[in-house]
Formats: sequence, structure tokens, C-alpha cells
Amino acid sequence: SQTIHQWPATLVQPVGSPLSLECTVEGTSNPNLYWYRQAAGRGLQLLFYSVGIGQISSEVPQNLSASRPQDRQFILSSKKLLLSDSGFYLCAWSTSGHTEAFFGQGTRLTVV
Amino acid sequence: DAKTTQPNSMESNEEEPVHLPCNHSTISGTDYIHWYRQLPSQGPEYVIHGLTSNVNNRMASLAIAEDRKSSTLILHRATLRDAAVYYCILSAGNQFYFGTGTSLTVIP
Repeated sequence: SQTIHQWPATLVQPVGSPLSLECTVEGTSNPNLYWYRQAAGRGLQLLFYSVGIGQISSEVPQNLSASRPQDRQFILSSKKLLLSDSGFYLCAWSTSGHTEAFFGQGTRLTVV
Repeated sequence: DAKTTQPNSMESNEEEPVHLPCNHSTISGTDYIHWYRQLPSQGPEYVIHGLTSNVNNRMASLAIAEDRKSSTLILHRATLRDAAVYYCILSAGNQFYFGTGTSLTVIP
């Protein structure tokens, strides 16, 4: 069966520090991969999606970047965190936009 | 972005049916309609999706209007575990765009 792993579950980082969040998927090949951010009490904002290794589409200009070094690995990064980067970050995968998406358990990032 | 409009909140009595509406007047012919639900501090959970025809699964039913500009998620018998934020989403190509969702409260 397919599973998605996302870590860490919680993270507290100072302003200006770097960030690296990792997401891995098991049990499927060539998945579409997604990074979402959810501000407190808000809906999910699509940040990045990837349809293959090295292929990244950015939805929102921001202080973040994404990379897909392997087929089932998706990394969200920042060189210098801002207070506004705080939020609940979710990784997801699907086989296409026409099938269901599966979400990880999320990382709650607090920038202080 | 594909847009959906949902009521901010709804209430239902336990063991009664719940009809959660969604408007998507700008839907294109190839957009699928998805529904997900989210509990606090958890990732969203898939509920159901469809293109044109009504759909049923073990969790819920999805009724899609003939013009596809609206849809309704039907929970046949609400339980306390169904209390969550429900998101109606249009999938455009490979992307899933979430709106603000409907917070469903189930009253015992």
C-alpha cells in the first residue's frame, strides 16, 4: 500500500534561519507531489507541485523553494525564514488531478 | 485558480443526513470535483470525487448539478466523527485548489 511520510511534526525556528522539510512517498512510482501551507484558521494554499524529478511549478511567489531530487522525495526549503512563513505545511501526492490525493500529517512551523 | 464557494459553517444533529453545498460557477469541462475533510492539526482526508455523474462510496454521496456549476456532498447519517472542515475542490490539470471550506458541527 502507498504511504506518505512527512517530518518533523513540529518545528520552531528563529527568523533568518534556514528551513528544510522533507516528504517521501512509498508504494507508488512517478507520483505528482504537492506542498501546501495552511495559516491558522484558513484554507490550504498550494505552494508548489511537481509532476516529475526536477520539475517544479511554483504557485505563489514567496520566500520558499522546492526540489524533487528523487522520484518519491519532495523537499521544501528556505534560506532565511520570515515571521510570515509560520503555518501548517502539508505534503501530498496523487497519480493525477483526476484521482484522489493523499496527504501527510503535516509540519507545524513556528518562526520566532 | 479554480474557485469554489461554500458556507463557512453548518450544524447537523447526530444520525441525521447532512447536505453540504458548493458552488463552482467557473468550472471548466475537464475539472473534477473533489471533496476532502480535515480534522484539527491533521492532513485532509479524501472523501469523494466525480466529473459529471453522481457518485456514491462508503463515506458519502456526491450530487453534481446538470450544468456542473454546483455540487452537494451528502452524509447519509452524521456521526460525531464526521465533525470536521469539509473542502470542495476543483482539480485543474494536476493541481488541487482548496477554498476556505465548511466547518461542520454535529450535535449529539
